[in-house]
Amino acid sequence: AQSVAQPEDQVNVAEGNPLTVKCTYSVSGNPYLFWYVQYPNRGLQFLLKYITGDNLVKGSYGFEAEFNKSQTSFHLKKPSALVSDSALYFCAVRDIRAGNTPLVFGKGTRLSVIA
Amino acid sequence: EAGVAQSPRYKIIEKRQSVAFWCNPISGHATLYWYQQILGQGPKLLIQFQNNGVVDDSQLPKDRFSAERLKGVDSTLKIQPAKLEDSAVYLCASSPRGWAQRVDEQYFGPGTRLTVT
Repeated sequence: AQSVAQPEDQVNVAEGNPLTVKCTYSVSGNPYLFWYVQYPNRGLQFLLKYITGDNLVKGSYGFEAEFNKSQTSFHLKKPSALVSDSALYFCAVRDIRAGNTPLVFGKGTRLSVIA
Repeated sequence: EAGVAQSPRYKIIEKRQSVAFWCNPISGHATLYWYQQILGQGPKLLIQFQNNGVVDDSQLPKDRFSAERLKGVDSTLKIQPAKLEDSAVYLCASSPRGWAQRVDEQYFGPGTRLTVT
């Protein structure tokens, strides 16, 4: 069965510093990987995805993530954090095997950017 | 482009009562999803529709939960009777291409926060 681990419940970073939100996954085959962000009282918003190709994926709001197959990781990064980046971040994985497999989400990591 | 609409935004009911949630996806989106998000957890898929057909309902508690997507547009999710453990946010999402739903990003509505007392 596929699964996602987000090992940190909370990440704190100073504004202007680089940020990393960690994600590791487990699938039988190869993965499709996604990052979503959730602001208070709002639904999830798509940030970026890895389907195939270049391991470094660039997404919305200056975020990027690197697919590392050997470490089964897909960490979310941003070179310079903004206070407005403070939110709940979810990593999600889907097995690319044929047939319909659901998107499985991690439990989320709360990012707090301090001015 | 209008986003995914959901109503109501909040609902409080007593256990054993029934409740229904409504979702209107982005116009033209073929695939519609209902997720349950319990506090402190990520969303968990309950049911997935492609047009008006069910693709995956393996995690839907069918003894109490039901969902339909008439005419392949909007959808309702019903719980009858509700239990305390059903307290959660119910999220609706849609994605544009049925045939490529596995790689498409999903667009989420604001959710309905259900409290069962």
